[in-house]
Amino acid sequence: DAKTTQPPSMDCAEGRAANLPCNHSTISGNEYVYWYRQIHSQGPQYIIHGLKNNETNEMASLIITEDRKSSTLILPHATLRDTAVYYCIVRVGAGSNTGKLIFGQGTTLQVKP
Amino acid sequence: EAGVAQSPRYKIIEKRQSVAFWCNPISGHATLYWYQQILGQGPKLLIQFQNNGVVDDSQLPKDRFSAERLKGVDSTLKIQPAKLEDSAVYLCASSPWTGGYEQYFGPGTRLTVT
Repeated sequence: DAKTTQPPSMDCAEGRAANLPCNHSTISGNEYVYWYRQIHSQGPQYIIHGLKNNETNEMASLIITEDRKSSTLILPHATLRDTAVYYCIVRVGAGSNTGKLIFGQGTTLQVKP
Repeated sequence: EAGVAQSPRYKIIEKRQSVAFWCNPISGHATLYWYQQILGQGPKLLIQFQNNGVVDDSQLPKDRFSAERLKGVDSTLKIQPAKLEDSAVYLCASSPWTGGYEQYFGPGTRLTVT
């Protein structure tokens, strides 16, 4: 079973920041938070991951609370092409034998013009 | 860099028939995954290979599903015989190594069982 809880859907205006929340209250100390997204009719795409520090890359920012029980994915300037299902996943990080991703239902983000 | 290739993209079969899906991972990637995604749900891992050895097949229905990865490169997933509930998208993913941060997914094969 997925270890995360996400809202089923969200809307965002084009050009505005999209903030997608995720609860992972049972996260273990060696588990990372990963975000993937899946655009319609495509395979999932990796976005970002983090352990406890905030992370930023060219696609998004990841804000993890100090107690690590929740996080927020931020798309700073959402475009119509960001309309997708966003999955928040916790898993043991690199160096382990556990590579599999356990996907939940995700959040369907609809970016509107 | 070429991505993960899968074929066919679409397949329609009748129940009790057999079907096979093919996956060619990104060159040099040691780890290969097969996921099943039923409509409206997130992908579910079926089997994970490290080179040509199986790491995790705990979710693979072994009475009807089989998979192989000969020579540690391409992989084939087979269903025999198919059931209606096997209708889904079958996704292949690869990563440079087990536990690698990023998995790269192919476009998937959409299977419809009638």
